[in-house]
Amino acid sequence: AQSVTQLGSHVSVSEGALVLLRCNYSSSVPPYLFWYVQYPNQGLQLLLKYTSAATLVKGINGFEAEFKKSETSFHLTKPSAHMSDAAEYFCAVRDQTGANNLFFGTGTRLTVIP
Amino acid sequence: DSGVTQTPKHLITATGQRVTLRCSPRSGDLSVYWYQQSLDQGLQFLIHYYNGEERAKGNILERFSAQQFPDLHSELNLSSLELGDSALYFCASSVVATANTDTQYFGPGTRLTVL
Repeated sequence: AQSVTQLGSHVSVSEGALVLLRCNYSSSVPPYLFWYVQYPNQGLQLLLKYTSAATLVKGINGFEAEFKKSETSFHLTKPSAHMSDAAEYFCAVRDQTGANNLFFGTGTRLTVIP
Repeated sequence: DSGVTQTPKHLITATGQRVTLRCSPRSGDLSVYWYQQSLDQGLQFLIHYYNGEERAKGNILERFSAQQFPDLHSELNLSSLELGDSALYFCASSVVATANTDTQYFGPGTRLTVL
């Protein structure tokens, strides 16, 4: 079975500072990993996805994530936080037993301090 | 805008009632997934339909059911509602059913409040 764990339910950074949101996965097969963002009162928007083509994945809005098999991690980063980045971020892994659904982490709420 | 539409946006009802949530996938997408987002359970997969057929079930209660119609829109039916069913219900669509690299696009959700 696949699962993801997000460390830190709340992260606060200053505007212009580095954003680091942590995600660790558990999977007995090579995983397919995703980061989604949810703005208040909105649905989930895909930021980026790892599909084994490259370990460093670039997404929208300046975000990127690096797949590290040795650490079973897929942390999300952004060099410089912007006020508009304030949202909830979800890491997810795709089920590969046939259902094809996503298993989501518990989410990390990012606050950007001006 | 993901291209996935969900109606209604908000729904307030009483315990014991039945409601229907509707989802229209992106043009060309054959797969529809339903997820429930609640404070205590987080985001959980409920059910997956592909081209009109049920493909997989997740943590879906027996009081809940879904279907996908020939025009590919989907409905999630929730009956004998309980207070604990209050949640945000998301629909997501994707092109195919089994490609691991396929992206799921999410709708804006329906917020259900059971009083």
